[in-house]
Amino acid sequence: QKEVEQNSGPLSVPEGAIASLNCTYSDRGSQSFFWYRQYSGKSPELIMSIYSNGDKEDGRFTAQLNKASQYVSLLIRDSQPSDSATYLCAVNIGNSGYSTLTFGKGTMLLVSP
Amino acid sequence: EAGVTQSPTHLIKTRGQQATLRCSPISGHTSVYWYQQALGLGLQFLLWYDEGEERNRGNFPPRFSGRQFPNYSSELNVNALELEDSALYLCASSSRFSGNTIYFGEGSWLTVV
Repeated sequence: QKEVEQNSGPLSVPEGAIASLNCTYSDRGSQSFFWYRQYSGKSPELIMSIYSNGDKEDGRFTAQLNKASQYVSLLIRDSQPSDSATYLCAVNIGNSGYSTLTFGKGTMLLVSP
Repeated sequence: EAGVTQSPTHLIKTRGQQATLRCSPISGHTSVYWYQQALGLGLQFLLWYDEGEERNRGNFPPRFSGRQFPNYSSELNVNALELEDSALYLCASSSRFSGNTIYFGEGSWLTVV
């Protein structure tokens, strides 16, 4: 069973701190990696995608990918209470052309004022 | 531009009945995905439709079925409802130009009593 693993949390950080969210995946052939944010009772919304090893920055968010270690992370700088949500890691798993996104169970982030 | 739209927002059914959920993708998107998110569980992939054809199916029994119409909208049918089918059903869409990036609708809450 090819999987995506995340620490369920909650991860608690004070306002203004850096939050670090981690994800590991089992399929070495995966090529596409995504982070979604899901507020309680709402649907997931896309934060970032990353396809190549290294870092990708978008505002306060930085995604990091290490395919050799099968590891992807999301850093949130200057965390705000409004960032409190569950963060879902998603990875494409399956044969090329018919692969679909497999989601981890998510990490709950709590940012305290 | 309108996002992915789903209906109904909430649906209450009795065990053994059938439920039908509907989804309209973002304009220009040809692929539609269905995911189930039961309480306390992660997003589980159900079905993927593209250009009217079923491309992939998750590990769900045959009583979960669906179709995609010529206008790329889709419906998900769940027959012989069981209590454990109670969940948030999420529809997502993607275009052939966006790789594996998928965008979610607001979801349909199905409660089976």
